[in-house]
Formats: sequence, structure tokens, C-alpha cells
Amino acid sequence: DAKTTQPPSMDCAEGRAANLPCNHSTISGNEYVYWYRQIHSQGPQYIIHGLKNNETNEMASLIITEDRKSSTLILPHATLRDTAVYYCIVRPNTGTASKLTFGTGTRLQVTL
Amino acid sequence: NAGVTQTPKFRILKIGQSMTLQCTQDMNHNYMYWYRQDPGMGLKLIYYSVGAGITDKGEVPNGYNVSRSTTEDFPLRLELAAPSQTSVYFCASRAGLAGPYTDTQYFGPGTRLTVL
Repeated sequence: DAKTTQPPSMDCAEGRAANLPCNHSTISGNEYVYWYRQIHSQGPQYIIHGLKNNETNEMASLIITEDRKSSTLILPHATLRDTAVYYCIVRPNTGTASKLTFGTGTRLQVTL
Repeated sequence: NAGVTQTPKFRILKIGQSMTLQCTQDMNHNYMYWYRQDPGMGLKLIYYSVGAGITDKGEVPNGYNVSRSTTEDFPLRLELAAPSQTSVYFCASRAGLAGPYTDTQYFGPGTRLTVL
């Protein structure tokens, strides 16, 4: 699986957009970008994933650069409940047992 | 659906004791996983299963055993607890069918284990 690089921590004011970057310069053509988050003491939670097109769901938007070497997770109106560690994971979607490889992620702190 | 449930939530063991961490999912998922998370670190895969009767090792399987007799249950066994096994343990499942939208993993709330 391709390696990812994320900043260790970020701050965001409540109500503002939180933009979390992820670098995956060695990504392969068949690898997807997944985002999970882990709120303190809870199990990780799936947020969104994409291959090359930008994606949006009820939780967030995912912007992937044209060369696919980096991406940005956008939480459009961050709330205090979005304070969590965000993990960017790159892996092929082959329908096999391929596991998730979690790095240390970005710790997002949303403040008043 | 309850999703993925784990018991117990907390446990303290003495060195050398054994215990089983329980994991159950009600989503009829084929794939199930056990991860451990040490303080300040990411998750590491211990064991996984692609279906009833089939299990395989992950990155850190030493000191653990698993079984998968049913689709729903995937217990993790610690035979001789050691302080190095102090961690938070997460169970996860996914559908496992081909296609990006079935590849999402769903995690349980975790079991916090301390070995003294």
C-alpha cells in the first residue's frame, strides 16, 4: 500500500471549514484514498473515499489532485464534535481481505 | 442493527492469565479483523478472517489466537498475558464483496486491556 504523510496536528475554529491535507505521492493507479476518523477512545469511523474524482457525502468532501499525489479532506462547518484524529489511508480496492494500514494521522482540534 | 459489539469494555489481567475478547457483528459481513492500538499510535492488525473457518495472521499475531466458527463471531484469545499486551483492542468487519462501496470497515467500541 502507498505511504501517506499527514501533519500531526491542526486547529480549526468552530463553524469554519477544516481542510486536512494528505500526501500520497507514490499512489498507484488502482489505489483508492480513504479517510477515517477516531474520536477519543472510540473505534475508527469511515468518512469518505475516492479514486480520482472529487467526492462529497453528508460528512465531508474529498478533493483529489489531478495527478492523485495528494488530497484534502474538507469538513465544511466544523463543530466541537469533529475534534478527532483523522487518518488518510491509500489502498487498492480489490475485494480481498486487504487490511487498513493506519499511520498516526492528523489530530484536529476544533475550538470555540 | 447493533453493528459491531465488543465485550468487555475494560479488563485488568495479571501476568500469565488468559482471557477471550468477544466480537460480534450483525451485518452478515464476511471479513472480520482484530486491531490493537497502543497509546499515541495507529492501529496494528493482529488477525483477520475472510469467512467462517478461515483466519490469517496480521502484523502482530504473537501472543494471540483467533477462531471463526460462525459468520457473526470472531473472538480473540490471549493465552499468557504480558504487560506488552496492554492496549486498546478494536474489532472490525466489512462486507468483502468486490466494489468500493463494500470495502468500508466498521469498528466496534474497543476493549481497554491492562496487564499488570
